[in-house]
Amino acid sequence: QSVLTQPPSTSGTPGQRVTVSCSGSSSNIGTNDIYWYQQVPGTAPKLLIYRNIQRPSGVPDRFSGSKSGTSASLVISGLRSEDEADYYCAAWDDSLSGWEFGGGTKVTVL
Amino acid sequence: EVQLVESGGGLVKPGGALKLSCVASGISFNSAWMSWVRQAPGKGLEWVGRIKRISDGGTTDYATPVKGRFTISRDDSKNIVYLQMNSLKTEDTAVYYCTTDGRVPLWGQGTLVTVSS
Repeated sequence: QSVLTQPPSTSGTPGQRVTVSCSGSSSNIGTNDIYWYQQVPGTAPKLLIYRNIQRPSGVPDRFSGSKSGTSASLVISGLRSEDEADYYCAAWDDSLSGWEFGGGTKVTVL
Repeated sequence: EVQLVESGGGLVKPGGALKLSCVASGISFNSAWMSWVRQAPGKGLEWVGRIKRISDGGTTDYATPVKGRFTISRDDSKNIVYLQMNSLKTEDTAVYYCTTDGRVPLWGQGTLVTVSS
């Protein structure tokens, strides 16, 4: 069982706003930065959000991140068919002295 | 071009050993902390371990499932980070990715390790 908790799946229709949550604790999200990755099956994870809210160059601005206390969220605004993928949150855990990943959320575009 | 390229994966029997390599290009490798992350078939991402840059002591940290069996090392003269895997188990079967531990993490494309008799 993952230290960071994500819902297994979520879905939306094209154009909708979808939110993926990530719940942790004071030793990980509460203290350290959160990162978000997108992974299309069969390919390597792609960085979407770093340091809670920052987007790497090339990532569309319809992807946004936020953090509050020991929880974080990834929002996809204006869902598109190519957004269908698995999404993972990640944070360093001070108690475990290691990177922790959420279990992943499968986003389906209906 | 900024990239990480892993190699060395393959099929190995339980109890065997394998050494993975990850070559970095386009980055200041000697300033980078490097991690290995794995993904078992159909499963999520799991951090394996990391090595700090030499100027920070070059020390390593490992996840509990691999502690005592896996060793991470680096050769800054060649821009390579290694993952030596010993006493392999079937549950170590996964795609192994190397990543930078920096402000904007960079990931390689991964190399598949299959542990099976």
